[in-house]
Amino acid sequence: QKEVEQDPGPLSVPEGAIVSLNCTYSNSAFQYFMWYRQYSRKGPELLMYTYSSGNKEDGRFTAQVDKSSKYISLFIRDSQPSDSATYLCAMRWAGSYQLTFGKGTKLSVIP
Amino acid sequence: ETGVTQTPRHLVMGMTNKKSLKCEQHLGHNAMYWYKQSAKKPLELMFVYSLEERVENNSVPSRFSPECPNSSHLFLHLHTLQPEDSALYLCASSQDTTEGLGPTDTQYFGPGTRLTVL
Repeated sequence: QKEVEQDPGPLSVPEGAIVSLNCTYSNSAFQYFMWYRQYSRKGPELLMYTYSSGNKEDGRFTAQVDKSSKYISLFIRDSQPSDSATYLCAMRWAGSYQLTFGKGTKLSVIP
Repeated sequence: ETGVTQTPRHLVMGMTNKKSLKCEQHLGHNAMYWYKQSAKKPLELMFVYSLEERVENNSVPSRFSPECPNSSHLFLHLHTLQPEDSALYLCASSQDTTEGLGPTDTQYFGPGTRLTVL
């Protein structure tokens, strides 16, 4: 079983839709959870950063962590064509700098 | 220049060539990383440097040789590569590698070098 599972998509939605991106993981020691956004021909940029379980909201983006289910989500409200990118989930355990990444989900928002 | 920069952005090399990738961070960070990103695979951590000392070598073949002359610069020297080494090579930096509870340990990525080995 892979440590982090993420559906690679591609996912195509109309502009204005609510987007839900998800990752599951197997290592219960993960404590820190991140979402990175990667535009074509660019490096990943940190979008959201959460510690342990709960929700975190930043503008149109909401990150959710459910440690009991080993499941994390990123919701994008009122999606825009500029949100078209690959979204990578990443996580690490306490005391470690090593990030474990999902494969990424490619999202296209159609005007 | 701000953030993390990488040169060259694109590189095509033969299997017998020797080339180097360069990374520079302008964030005042103490830790730097090399990652490999292949199609349909998760990012793979290759090397980690903290205060110019290598702290991690993730079973990377010896045809990849990192160098960190100071905390702002990181190189990846390449020689006798294989076609399967073709990938996007990403550099990242963070404040440090020790445990943190906030964004000081966040890794910031450069744009990458797209490497093609013929």
